[in-house]
Amino acid sequence: EDQVTQSPEALRLQEGESSSLNCSYTVSGLRGLFWYRQDPGKGPEFLFTLYSAGEEKEKERLKATLTKKESFLHITAPKPEDSATYLCAVQSPRDTDKLIFGTGTRLQVFP
Amino acid sequence: NAGVMQNPRHLVRRRGQEARLRCSPVKGHSHVYWYRQLPEEGLKFMVYLQKENIIDESGMPKERFSAEFPKEGPSILRIQQVVRGDSAAYFCASSSLITDTQYFGPGTRLTVL
Repeated sequence: EDQVTQSPEALRLQEGESSSLNCSYTVSGLRGLFWYRQDPGKGPEFLFTLYSAGEEKEKERLKATLTKKESFLHITAPKPEDSATYLCAVQSPRDTDKLIFGTGTRLQVFP
Repeated sequence: NAGVMQNPRHLVRRRGQEARLRCSPVKGHSHVYWYRQLPEEGLKFMVYLQKENIIDESGMPKERFSAEFPKEGPSILRIQQVVRGDSAAYFCASSSLITDTQYFGPGTRLTVL
């Protein structure tokens, strides 16, 4: 069964303190791995798509990387406005386009 | 550029009533997906539709739930005879033929009393 596990569940950082969020997946072939950000009371906001091991993508203070078993979301010198829940999801070529989500990492950045 | 729109944003129903949730995809997107997010749980896929067709409804409960995406107008997720366990946030997402990125709406928060 396709599965996505994210860790840690929650992370508290001081402003400027860099860290990484982990997304481990088991899927029969990976069609794509997606990172989203979700603020309280809002819908997920798309960040990145990764397709193959070794691929990296960056946006401002965020950098996503992918291996054959996991993905990392690196946050460099975070700011309080980076506080949110970060969601990881995968698509399998066996299935239709549905996304299989992890339960997310709740990030809090304190000034 | 309007994103995915959902209405209502909040919906309160009593047990046994019907709930209708609407989703207008990004202009030009022909694929619509519905997900449900229960408190303290992750997003769970419910159904995937293209215009006038249900492509994958493997995540949707067999009873009381139905979805449609007509040729004209928004996609509708319909829940009949709601129960307290249906209380959740329901999100709609859309994508186009040329990209597999799904863009999400703000969600409808359903509360069943």
